[in-house]
Amino acid sequence: QKEVEQNSGPLSVPEGAIASLNCTYSDRGSQSFFWYRQYSGKSPELIMSIYSNGDKEDGRFTAQLNKASQYVSLLIRDSQPSDSATYLCAVRGFGNKLVFGAGTILRVKS
Amino acid sequence: DTGVSQDPRHKITKRGQNVTFRCDPISEHNRLYWYRQTLGQGPEFLTYFQNEAQLEKSRLLSDRFSAERPKGSFSTLEIQRTEQGDSAMYLCASSSDFSYSNQPQHFGDGTRLSIL
Repeated sequence: QKEVEQNSGPLSVPEGAIASLNCTYSDRGSQSFFWYRQYSGKSPELIMSIYSNGDKEDGRFTAQLNKASQYVSLLIRDSQPSDSATYLCAVRGFGNKLVFGAGTILRVKS
Repeated sequence: DTGVSQDPRHKITKRGQNVTFRCDPISEHNRLYWYRQTLGQGPEFLTYFQNEAQLEKSRLLSDRFSAERPKGSFSTLEIQRTEQGDSAMYLCASSSDFSYSNQPQHFGDGTRLSIL
């Protein structure tokens, strides 16, 4: 079992729709959770961080964390073609390294 | 704040050669990380520095790999006797150590290594 799992996609949504990206993790001691966006050939760009159970909203993005279910999600409202990218879920347990999932490819069709 | 800077952006070399990459972190960040990313995968942790001390190394970091961070500022990652399997994007990230666990890591643009 991988430490952090994501559906590789591609996830295709029409412009203006809500995109829902999911991530599960195996280490119950994980403390911090991050979503990064990565455009093709570019480096990961931090878009959201979440540390406690519940929802955290930032603009069009909402991160959701459920530690009991070991589940993190990212919702993107009013999806735009510029949101088309790979979304990486990253988890930090004790220590400082991040463990990444393989990423979900999102395609927003205009 | 100019962000994390990596040099070179691209490196093409023949198998068996040595290569060295440089990373300049965000100036106020005292933590520096190296990751490696191959096509279709997320970044994989290689090593981590707190100031000049190398505190953690992945099993991925074979004895051909060495990283340094003299004086706790920039860092270098050297790969000796490169192999085909070393072809990847090498990413550097930095963070501060305020509030132990919650500081996000910010990535540089990476160095893409291609082994001929």
